[in-house]
Amino acid sequence: EPEVTQTPSHQVTQMGQEVILRCVPISNHLYFYWYRQILGQKVEFLVSFYNNEISEKSEIFDDQFSVERPDGSNFTLKIRSTKLEDSAMYFCASSAKIEQYFGPGTRLTVT
Amino acid sequence: GESVGLHLPTLSVQEGDNSIINCAYSNSASDYFIWYKQESGKGPQFIIDIRSNMDKRQGQRVTVLLNKTVKHLSLQIAATQPGDSAVYFCAEKTSNTGKLIFGQGTTLQVKP
Repeated sequence: EPEVTQTPSHQVTQMGQEVILRCVPISNHLYFYWYRQILGQKVEFLVSFYNNEISEKSEIFDDQFSVERPDGSNFTLKIRSTKLEDSAMYFCASSAKIEQYFGPGTRLTVT
Repeated sequence: GESVGLHLPTLSVQEGDNSIINCAYSNSASDYFIWYKQESGKGPQFIIDIRSNMDKRQGQRVTVLLNKTVKHLSLQIAATQPGDSAVYFCAEKTSNTGKLIFGQGTTLQVKP
């Protein structure tokens, strides 16, 4: 069964450093998303991406964040200058139409 | 503003019993609702969905009920098994956006 994959599973970085979280969506999907989940809290929407551009973003997704689909398979989330409060699980999701399939997540720890 | 919330943070049931997890939503414009299961260290896993033009949908051992009058969503799990132990989230979306709005989550504990 096709699935969304994410790398790395755990990323530790120092405050102020740039990180890139990587995702490989399901191959025939056209809609891509990033969500985050701070420990013990609910999943929060960050951004949606379709046809090589951002279709929607939340207030969390400020100028420090960017997304890219550099090739036909990868979908990345970049945080330019990480803050302590960026520590969270980051989930990538993809969909063909409506149903969104989530990856296993990347745990980002900012120290 | 928009919000999706859950009534109970933790639900403990005996193996073999039926489980009911509840969710309240506030955005009357939402037209699609989903239940996700999240096991420890994993991403949300799709369980079942329902559109706003329906009030009940059944899957394998799971049933989702939607009451638009009181903006209430529930997930019923029949014959709960230890493997059902997880955090369950409801989520909603409107047709003009792909964004899912998640509720707070209910932890389901299944006692053997």
